[in-house]
Amino acid sequence: AQKVTQAQTEISVVEKEDVTLDCVYETRDTTYYLFWYKQPPSGELVFLIRRNSFDEQNEISGRYSWNFQKSTSSFNFTITASQVVDSAVYFCALSEQGGSEKLVFGKGTKLTVNP
Amino acid sequence: DAGITQSPRHKVTETGTPVTLRCHQTENHRYMYWYRQDPGHGLRLIHYSYGVKDTDKGEVSDGYSVSRSKTEDFLLTLESATSSQTSVYFCAIKGTGWMNTEAFFGQGTRLTVV
Repeated sequence: AQKVTQAQTEISVVEKEDVTLDCVYETRDTTYYLFWYKQPPSGELVFLIRRNSFDEQNEISGRYSWNFQKSTSSFNFTITASQVVDSAVYFCALSEQGGSEKLVFGKGTKLTVNP
Repeated sequence: DAGITQSPRHKVTETGTPVTLRCHQTENHRYMYWYRQDPGHGLRLIHYSYGVKDTDKGEVSDGYSVSRSKTEDFLLTLESATSSQTSVYFCAIKGTGWMNTEAFFGQGTRLTVV
């Protein structure tokens, strides 16, 4: 069965600190997708990244980076030099390829960046 | 922005009444999902659809039903609303194929059952 675990419920950092949000997933499929979404205080869900199960390359986008490790079933998200605008709830999600493609989310990690 | 709209955006209803939420898309995407978001629980999947008239249950489907009679509309019905169904409801759509697997979300519907 699909499952996504975000063990960190809340994280609080001071601006300019680096912070890593953890995501561990479970799936029986060999083909799947992993996602990160951001939900700022305004409430909308913003797509950040998609990674398929055949691509274990890490990705960097500005201050954001993602580390995908199939060996540990993890897809962690790091924000470098955090800013107040990064304060949000971050969700990790998993979709198995093919068929119904059920999309399952973790419970989210609330990040607060203090000035 | 992806063409997905939810209606209504806000609703207050009384316990025991039926309520229908609508999700409408203009992207012709195959997959559609309904989630509820509650503090401490994140986004929980209620029901989802993988085609017209093809639907399946998620983890919190009790008390909810769905219908998808055409590609663009996915309706969520609370058969007899209860206070425990007070929540924010999100609809999402997703395409198919390797380059089209990002899920887009609607703005959400805040439902209060009194």
